[in-house]
Amino acid sequence: AQSVSQHNHHVILSEAASLELGCNYSYGGTVNLFWYVQYPGQHLQLLLKYFSGDPLVKGIKGFEAEFIKSKFSFNLRKPSVQWSDTAEYFCATGDTGRRALTFGSGTRLQVQP
Amino acid sequence: EAGVVQSPRYKIIEKKQPVAFWCNPISGHNTLYWYLQNLGQGPELLIRYENEEAVDDSQLPKDRFSAERLKGVDSTLKIQPAELGDSAVYLCASSLSQMETQYFGPGTRLLVL
Repeated sequence: AQSVSQHNHHVILSEAASLELGCNYSYGGTVNLFWYVQYPGQHLQLLLKYFSGDPLVKGIKGFEAEFIKSKFSFNLRKPSVQWSDTAEYFCATGDTGRRALTFGSGTRLQVQP
Repeated sequence: EAGVVQSPRYKIIEKKQPVAFWCNPISGHNTLYWYLQNLGQGPELLIRYENEEAVDDSQLPKDRFSAERLKGVDSTLKIQPAELGDSAVYLCASSLSQMETQYFGPGTRLLVL
C-alpha cells in the first residue's frame, strides 16, 4: 500500500526564517503530489500540486515544492515565513490505481513574531 | 463559487446512538469523497463516489458505517451505533472527476461520550 512520510511533526520558526518541510512517498509508479494547508479553524486548502512537467512547482503565498523522483521526495519550501503561515501542512499523493489521496500525518508549523 | 458544504459542524452524542453527516459538493463535481481524520493524523479515505456509484468503499467499516449519494449530488454518511473510537473529524471533499484536485469542506467534528 502507498504511504506518505512527513518527518517533522512540529516545527517552530521565527518570522523571516526559511522553511523546508520534508515529504517522502513510497509509491514507485506514476503519482500526483500535493501539499495542503489547514489554518487554525479553517478547512484544508490546496497549496500546490505536481502532476508532470517542471519538477519545481510554485504555489500560493510564496510556497514552492520540488519533486525529486530518485529520492521519492516532494519537500515544501518558503524562503521567508510569516506569522500568518502558522498552520498544519499535509503532504499527499494520488495514485492512478486507487484514485484517492493518501495523506501524511501532517506537520504543525508555528511561526513566532 | 460556493465551496463544499458540510453539516453539522459539531456533534456530541452518547455511545450506541446513531449519527448522520451531510455533504453538498461543489456544483458540477462528479466525484465525492468521505475522509476520516483522527487527532494528529492526516485524513484517511472512507469512501469515494463517482456520481451515485460507490467505487471504493474498501476502508468503510460496513458493520456500523453506511453512506449514500442519491442522484449523484448530496451525500450522507451514517454511523449506527456510534462507538467511543469514532470520535474524529469527518471530512467531505469533491472533485470534477477522479484524479482532479480535491476540494475539502470544513468537516464535522464528532465527539462520542
